[in-house]
Amino acid sequence: EAQVTQNPRYLITVTGKKLTVTCSQNMNHEYMSWYRQDPGLGLRQIYYSMNVEVTDKGDVPEGYKVSRKEKRNFPLILESPSPNQTSLYFCASSLRGHQPQHFGDGTRLSIL
Amino acid sequence: AQSVTQPDIHITVSEGASLELRCNYSYGATPYLFWYVQSPGQGLQLLLKYFSGDTLVQGIKGFEAEFKRSQSSFNLRKPSVHWSDAAEYFCAVASANQAGTALIFGKGTTLSVSS
Repeated sequence: EAQVTQNPRYLITVTGKKLTVTCSQNMNHEYMSWYRQDPGLGLRQIYYSMNVEVTDKGDVPEGYKVSRKEKRNFPLILESPSPNQTSLYFCASSLRGHQPQHFGDGTRLSIL
Repeated sequence: AQSVTQPDIHITVSEGASLELRCNYSYGATPYLFWYVQSPGQGLQLLLKYFSGDTLVQGIKGFEAEFKRSQSSFNLRKPSVHWSDAAEYFCAVASANQAGTALIFGKGTTLSVSS
C-alpha cells in the first residue's frame, strides 16, 4: 500500500530537548515536504526536498532542520524546541514538486 | 508573492443542498491548482487537481472545480452535500521558482452540514 509514514504520532516534550520526527514514503517519490498546521493559519510549508541531498526552505523554516540522505526518508529535526513550535505537523511526498502530494497522518507535538 | 485566499472561514449548508467553496490565487504563471479535504483527526486527501486543458475538472466524492483564469479563481462545487462531507477544505497552488516547487495553501474553509 502506498503510504507516507510519520513517527511519532504524538509527542509531549520540554523546551530545549532535541527531537526528530521521522517521515518515510514507499512510492519512490522525488519530492518530499514538511508542513505545520495551526488554527486559523492553515498549512505552512517548513522545508521541502526536490531529491536526495537537495533541500530548500519553505515559508517557516526557523527553528527546524531537515536532511535527505535517502530518497525514502525526510526527517524533521528540532534542535532546541520551543513552545511556539507546538503544532500539528504533516509530511508529504509526490513524484515531482508540482504533482499532487500524499500526506502522512500527522504528528502532534506539544512543547512545554 | 504567490498566495491563495479562501474568503470563507466557515460555511454551513443543509444536507442535500448545493455547495460552492471559493478560492482565489495570486500567481504569475499558469498555476497548478489543487483542492484537499481534511476530516477531523486525519491527514489531507486530494479531491482534484488542475494542471491544464479543460477548465472544469472532476474529482472524487462527486466534487468538481472550475478554473477561471480571468478571475484567478478555482472554486469547488458539489451539487448535493452529504453529512459525511463535513470537513475542512484547503485550496492550494504549486509555485515553481528557480530552487524548486513549493505548495502554498489557503487557510481553509470549514464545512458544516446541517440535517
